Amino acid sequence: QVQLQESGPGLVKPSETLSLTCTVSGGSISGYYWNWIRQPPGKGLEWIGYIFSSADTNYNPSLKSRVTMSLDAPKNQISLKLNSVTAADTAVYYCARARWLQQIYYPFDIWGQGTLATVSS
Amino acid sequence: LMTQTPLSLSVTPGQPASISCKSSQSLLQSNGKTYIYWYLQKPGQSPHLLIYEVSNRFSGVPDRFSGSGSGTDFTLKISRVEAEDVGLYYCLQTIQIPYTFGQGTKLEIK
Repeated sequence: QVQLQESGPGLVKPSETLSLTCTVSGGSISGYYWNWIRQPPGKGLEWIGYIFSSADTNYNPSLKSRVTMSLDAPKNQISLKLNSVTAADTAVYYCARARWLQQIYYPFDIWGQGTLATVSS
Repeated sequence: LMTQTPLSLSVTPGQPASISCKSSQSLLQSNGKTYIYWYLQKPGQSPHLLIYEVSNRFSGVPDRFSGSGSGTDFTLKISRVEAEDVGLYYCLQTIQIPYTFGQGTKLEIK
């Protein structure tokens, strides 16, 4: 079955760039919408954005100026870069798949386990 | 904006539970579909999909979970709560960007 695994540095300094990778196993990344969602400690879920292809991305307007997502098909990976981070960006970051199947949209039908990114000097 | 109520509830096993989610705009699209979903995040786990398009149970979801509603008002019901149902429940809308979740409702067992 398809599994997602997020990875990246657990600690990032303020004003620097947070870089995370989601590695997909058990299936191809082609044909799906790959989302990043974050959850600050003890708080709710915030959708960051998705990427379908290099030409098809959609980001949360609140983060759009700082976010870049990309795909690496040969490695079956999705990456997230969030620049100019502050303490408010401290959160568990999840990657999650969304797909269309027979005209039905299934957002976030598969999730990774999440990775905690802490912004601190 | 997605507003969930209550933010927490404590339920005796075997009793029903109900969570409301109200959207600031209609979630009904011109294609006739309504883009609201429900998720459960069990303690220490990632969320998982329970209900899609208002009332359809996702694969493997027990039939004690049901969704209903239309337009801007939606409800998730658990007919008979079990101990394994504890966690945070979230509604999600995908009719417009940004996708937005409700604040979450914490279900505890009495």
